[in-house]
Amino acid sequence: QQQVKQSPQSLIVQKGGISIINCAYENTAFDYFPWYQQFPGKGPALLIAIRPDVSEKKEGRFTISFNKSAKQFSLHIMDSQPGDSATYFCAASKNTGNQFYFGTGTSLTVIP
Amino acid sequence: EAGVVQSPRYKIIEKKQPVAFWCNPISGHNTLYWYLQNLGQGPELLIRYENEEAVDDSQLPKDRFSAERLKGVDSTLKIQPAELGDSAVYLCASSSGLAGVDTQYFGPGTRLTVL
Repeated sequence: QQQVKQSPQSLIVQKGGISIINCAYENTAFDYFPWYQQFPGKGPALLIAIRPDVSEKKEGRFTISFNKSAKQFSLHIMDSQPGDSATYFCAASKNTGNQFYFGTGTSLTVIP
Repeated sequence: EAGVVQSPRYKIIEKKQPVAFWCNPISGHNTLYWYLQNLGQGPELLIRYENEEAVDDSQLPKDRFSAERLKGVDSTLKIQPAELGDSAVYLCASSSGLAGVDTQYFGPGTRLTVL
């Protein structure tokens, strides 16, 4: 059973555009929602994370929007750049240090 | 500061052979994770260590997989015997384990190909 559902599977955006990736979860005990970025041949790297006590978190061009009642969260990449082309994974966990449940990933391609 | 180190980066073996992967976490990180990542999928937890204790190994196929973290620092994941379906990337991650700090730092992974 997939604990975190992620969409779309792939995304193509023009340079300067906005990339939006969505995730949904069922377990209301989840209290930490990170987004990871993975380049080919590399391990996932933390991009940005949010806790359910806030509805939005912004770091540079990256923003997480969180809807607790809908049990959904999304990643917005503003002014997308070719260097943002990578696979993005959302994840969720409950309590510090516990298991992360990852989404299936979104392959983002930013066209110059 | 050095990140999570894994070796080897690539391994090709024939089915039924044994294989071992090594991970050295970030210095001072008490929590260590082994994940399996199939092509086009997100990482799936195999085992989690708090220091030298395996606190979550419910997803580890214990008939052929084993892991150890004897001194609470580096760790080894072993498969014996390997099967064709074990071809995947094996990721190691670590975190500080401090209350309120959840960030997991991943190594580059070991890509295993079983022929």
